[in-house]
Amino acid sequence: SQQGEEDPQALSIQEGENATMNCSYKTSINNLQWYRQNSGRGLVHLILIRSNEREKHSGRLRVTLDTSKKSSSLLITASRAADTASYFCAAFYKLSFGAGTTVTVRA
Amino acid sequence: AAGVIQSPRHLIKEKRETATLKCYPIPRHDTVYWYQQGPGQDPQFLISFYEKMQSDKGSIPDRFSAQQFSDYHSELNMSSLELGDSALYFCASSPQGPGANVLTFGAGSRLTVL
Repeated sequence: SQQGEEDPQALSIQEGENATMNCSYKTSINNLQWYRQNSGRGLVHLILIRSNEREKHSGRLRVTLDTSKKSSSLLITASRAADTASYFCAAFYKLSFGAGTTVTVRA
Repeated sequence: AAGVIQSPRHLIKEKRETATLKCYPIPRHDTVYWYQQGPGQDPQFLISFYEKMQSDKGSIPDRFSAQQFSDYHSELNMSSLELGDSALYFCASSPQGPGANVLTFGAGSRLTVL
């Protein structure tokens, strides 16, 4: 399978703390994308990092990509209650998502 | 801005019945994807279409079929429904073909099979 596999499966943090989750994949990729899903809703694209990039920032999000280890990490800084959601990485070409990391941010 | 529109939002069917879900992609998006997400599960890729042709196939059961029409909307047809087909079905679209593009998801259609 070429899908991304997230780690940890669940994460509970205090508001204001940082949340870090990791993703591993199995094949060569053109890019890796991170999506967020609020309970029962559609996935929302967060950030895309290309295979020739090592790090990318978008607001409070920081994504790293290590193609030699076939892994990526997503860091959410200064978390807020609204960040409570499931986070999925997708290592395309096969458009598959892994099991996701469920993040709960406590007020 | 226009988003991906899915209908119906909720659908209740009996076992062995058929169901049809519709997806209207963002204007000028020519690629449509279908995903199935069971309760507490990750989204599973079913099938995708680019320019009205099937571009990729995932774990779509033989009882399901889909197509993309000339106006780029897509329909997912499900027959001989089983209890295990109860899930959220998401449609997503992207521009300029499958591959490196960002997917925009619809709100999903929740199918309940009784």
